[in-house]
Amino acid sequence: QVHLQQWGAGLLKPSETLSLTCGVYGGSLSGYYWGWIRQPPGKGLEWIGEISHSTSTNYNPSLKSRVSISVDTSKNQFSLKLNSVTAADTAVYYCARGREVATLFGWFDPWGQGTLVTVSS
Amino acid sequence: EIVMTQSPATLSVSPGERATLSCRASESVSTNLAWYQQKAGQAPRLLISGASTRATGIPARFSGRGSGTEFTLTISSLQSEDFAVYYCQQYNDWPPLTFGGGTTVEIK
Repeated sequence: QVHLQQWGAGLLKPSETLSLTCGVYGGSLSGYYWGWIRQPPGKGLEWIGEISHSTSTNYNPSLKSRVSISVDTSKNQFSLKLNSVTAADTAVYYCARGREVATLFGWFDPWGQGTLVTVSS
Repeated sequence: EIVMTQSPATLSVSPGERATLSCRASESVSTNLAWYQQKAGQAPRLLISGASTRATGIPARFSGRGSGTEFTLTISSLQSEDFAVYYCQQYNDWPPLTFGGGTTVEIK
């Protein structure tokens, strides 16, 4: 049974770079896309982007200029970087397994535990 | 971008009663729709994919239906552990993948 565990810095200053990593346990990165989703406090869910084990990526157009998702197959983990953060980027960030590589259609299951990232001067 | 609209924002239901949640898409998403449950302080959990297929381990009291632009999630007899926030998500036309704003199911 696949389990995701995520980690990274929880407090940033404006203009800094958010950096989070998600480890995949009990399964391989192969065959799926792996995604990041965020949730501002008290608000809904926003898809950030996804990556496959072969480093194919797709991003939310609203964040594309600031986002980078990478994968490390040797460590079975993938990472998110979001640069030039502002207070509007304050949110709980989740990693999750997404769609199968062979299809364009997919949901998220399972999810990581979430990391609260606060941007404040 | 496909906009997902959920209603009502809050649903007050007594334990044992039936709850029906709605999700509307701004354009057709076929049956490419998922439902999630999120409890306070926890990550979302997949309930249903393909508009009507329950995920592994999800009780039969959860059912989904719909296609095109109109979808419903029904909880046939609410248990105490079902009081939570529910989100729909479309995966038919992207990027971006989009979620609804959520429906909070609270104890009446």
